Amino acid sequence: DSGVTQTPKHLITATGQRVTLRCSPRSGDLSVYWYQQSLDQGLQFLIQYYNGEERAKGNILERFSAQQFPDLHSELNLSSLELGDSALYFCASSVTSGGAIDTQYFGPGTRLTVL
Amino acid sequence: AQSVAQPEDQVNVAEGNPLTVKCTYSVSGNPYLFWYVQYPNRGLQFLLKYITGDNLVKGSYGFEAEFNKSQTSFHLKKPSALVSDSALYFCAVRDQGSARQLTFGSGTQLTVLP
Repeated sequence: DSGVTQTPKHLITATGQRVTLRCSPRSGDLSVYWYQQSLDQGLQFLIQYYNGEERAKGNILERFSAQQFPDLHSELNLSSLELGDSALYFCASSVTSGGAIDTQYFGPGTRLTVL
Repeated sequence: AQSVAQPEDQVNVAEGNPLTVKCTYSVSGNPYLFWYVQYPNRGLQFLLKYITGDNLVKGSYGFEAEFNKSQTSFHLKKPSALVSDSALYFCAVRDQGSARQLTFGSGTQLTVLP
């Protein structure tokens, strides 16, 4: 158990809908990262927040957005969902924002199925 | 830009034999290198990382990895494989100078045969 929690574990929804995925980092970690794992694209970085501020952006669609709250939990919002958004979404956390000591610890993931 | 290649989609090894899972990387600066393992329906578990110093890095569950700068490789090894080591293994890289996010390889499915 990494100490990173994600809810829900599974989410089934329809095209065009909007969903919110939630992540709580390990105690003491200030950075949260979101990754998408799909069969065709592999593991791809979406976005990083550090202590409430956006720090890095990857291949995140405009339909997707994220935020980190004062208690350091993070939410990933996916809207206007398409079939191709079906994937496993991972959250990871680390102590700092990319320092030498940083190791990213991953949560169990949220499996999103868009029908 | 940073990238990782895992040239083998699948590696099969007999229980008790040594195992190697290959990884090569590309970064513009100096790399931080990582290995993660993913069991079915589970998240990624951190195994080990290379930051600097000794080229042989020891990690969890008896795994180790060898950093080779001239060959830009970071192969994962274990002297004696267990059936329970069967899982999906990911190599990842982060450029020390410019990146915060990890770039992952495509993964290697390791199967240890009893």
